[in-house]
Amino acid sequence: GIQVEQSPPDLILQEGANSTLRCNFSDSVNNLQWFHQNPWGQLINLFYIPSGTKQNGRLSATTVATERYSLLYISSSQTTDSGVYFCAVTYNQGGKLIFGQGTELSVKP
Amino acid sequence: EPEVTQTPSHQVTQMGQEVILRCVPISNHLYFYWYRQILGQKVEFLVSFYNNEISEKSEIFDDQFSVERPDGSNFTLKIRSTKLEDSAMYFCAYGAYNEQFFGPGTRLTVL
Repeated sequence: GIQVEQSPPDLILQEGANSTLRCNFSDSVNNLQWFHQNPWGQLINLFYIPSGTKQNGRLSATTVATERYSLLYISSSQTTDSGVYFCAVTYNQGGKLIFGQGTELSVKP
Repeated sequence: EPEVTQTPSHQVTQMGQEVILRCVPISNHLYFYWYRQILGQKVEFLVSFYNNEISEKSEIFDDQFSVERPDGSNFTLKIRSTKLEDSAMYFCAYGAYNEQFFGPGTRLTVL
């Protein structure tokens, strides 16, 4: 099956710093999503981005489907950005999401 | 506001007991999913439900698990005889135009 690898596994930032999280996947995908898991365990949708670039405030994401990777950019990080960021993919419409192991981000004041 | 609610938010049970986790969608959707996340690990797929039928299930979803939509609204996951290793966060999700959205989860603790 499809393998999803995220890097780095852990990241510590000072407030105000920028960061880039990476997601590599081993096969063609139909869908790619980025999630933020907050300290209460909720999975918050950040981006649905099977290809191209999207921006939402301080966050942006780029997926290069032909090269099988996606990047999540966080600019001017805030303490509320702390948590685990997951990348997840599907390879068919309506199919299961296959998650990466996540990147645990800690933003220090 | 999430378009699915899950109850209970936290369930503590004894090993060997049956538990039923509930997911209530606010709007009509065709695709539903159950996932679980063992503490500190990634989210894992359990089962998908399309048009009121199971469409796919994982190796984790063995005979101990069942899923139903008993009254056309609630969507339930039943674990017949819980084991310690079933302790996890269980998420219900729905699909809309290829994107999936997750409920707030039920934390199951098996003692």
